Amino acid sequence: AQKVTQAQTEISVVEKEDVTLDCVYETRDTTYYLFWYKQPPSGELVFLIRRNSFDEQNEISGRYSWNFQKSTSSFNFTITASQVVDSAVYFCALSEAWDSSYKLIFGSGTRLLVRP
Amino acid sequence: DTGVSQDPRHKITKRGQNVTFRCDPISEHNRLYWYRQTLGQGPEFLTYFQNEAQLEKSRLLSDRFSAERPKGSFSTLEIQRTEQGDSAMYLCASSYDFSGKNIQYFGAGTRLSVL
Repeated sequence: AQKVTQAQTEISVVEKEDVTLDCVYETRDTTYYLFWYKQPPSGELVFLIRRNSFDEQNEISGRYSWNFQKSTSSFNFTITASQVVDSAVYFCALSEAWDSSYKLIFGSGTRLLVRP
Repeated sequence: DTGVSQDPRHKITKRGQNVTFRCDPISEHNRLYWYRQTLGQGPEFLTYFQNEAQLEKSRLLSDRFSAERPKGSFSTLEIQRTEQGDSAMYLCASSYDFSGKNIQYFGAGTRLSVL
């Protein structure tokens, strides 16, 4: 069965530290999509990135980078030089191509607190 | 281009009352999703529409829940005879279904508290 695990419930760092949020997924599908969303205190889920299962290239966007490794079924997210504005709950999610709904299966989230 | 909007943002109701939430998706998005999020958990899928057709409902969606999307534009989610277990954040998302490049954009949610 499909599943997303975010083992880190809460992480606290001091501003300018680097931090990595872990995500491990389970799926039987060969074609699938992985996502990261940010949920600030306002509640709205903000889309950060989408990767498909055939593209294992790592991606960098400013201070954000993502490491996708099919061999370990992981899709980890690193924030470099963290800032207070990065404080939020981050969700990893999975959708599978066989499922025409493309509904998202979310992990339980990691709460990141960046202290000044 | 405005994002997904949800109304109301907060709703407090007494057990047994009916409540209705509204979601306005991003214009021209043909898909609309409803999710429920309880404290400390990730969102869970409830149902989705392609245009005006409701194509899938989760087992979480009991017969007290009903969702509509008339004319394929805004959607409403109604909960009848609310129970304390219905207390949660109800999130709406919309997407443009294009050959699997389905990115869902979320609204800020409606937080329901059932007393």
